[in-house]
Amino acid sequence: DAKTTQPNSMESNEEEPVHLPCNHSTISGTDYIHWYRQLPSQGPEYVIHGLTSNVNNRMASLAIAEDRKSSTLILHRATLRDAAVYYCILRDFSGGSNYKLTFGKGTLLTVNP
Amino acid sequence: ETGVTQSPTHLIKTRGQQVTLRCSSQSGHNTVSWYQQALGQGPQFIFQYYREEENGRGNFPPRFSGLQFPNYSSELNVNALELDDSALYLCASSRGGDVPHEQFFGPGTRLTVL
Repeated sequence: DAKTTQPNSMESNEEEPVHLPCNHSTISGTDYIHWYRQLPSQGPEYVIHGLTSNVNNRMASLAIAEDRKSSTLILHRATLRDAAVYYCILRDFSGGSNYKLTFGKGTLLTVNP
Repeated sequence: ETGVTQSPTHLIKTRGQQVTLRCSSQSGHNTVSWYQQALGQGPQFIFQYYREEENGRGNFPPRFSGLQFPNYSSELNVNALELDDSALYLCASSRGGDVPHEQFFGPGTRLTVL
């Protein structure tokens, strides 16, 4: 799996937007960009995924650079509940059996009240 | 819709013992993956089961083995426990047959090996 690079930690204030960056300069044309997050004492949870176009869902937005070598997860209004480790993961399904998530260390997001 | 459940929540074993961890997948899901998460690290893929067959394996020794049952629940067995096996063990379920963008994780089992 292609590698991603994320900052170790970021800090935000409650009710402000948060932009979590991810670099993936070796991304291939068939790699999807996935984001998961892990709240304290819980298993990871899916946040969002995209291939080429920007994506929005109820949890967040995903902005993908035109060359796809970087992406940004956007939390529009951070809450205390958003404090978690955020993982950016590339997955290639072209072989028909990409079954695993390859986690790095992720970004620890701290949200201040 | 019932989520992914795991048992037990916590477990303490001694070196050399064997352990079995259990996972019930989310309703309608036929694929289960197991991950090991050491303290301060991201989860590492152990293996996946799809319709009762192993469908991929990470870089873990053969003393890590698994089973998936006809109801798609799963077990992770670890033999000859070592101190480094102390970790949070997570299982995740997903739908097979289409692109599984989303995996649903359970809360994990915290294993401590003394």
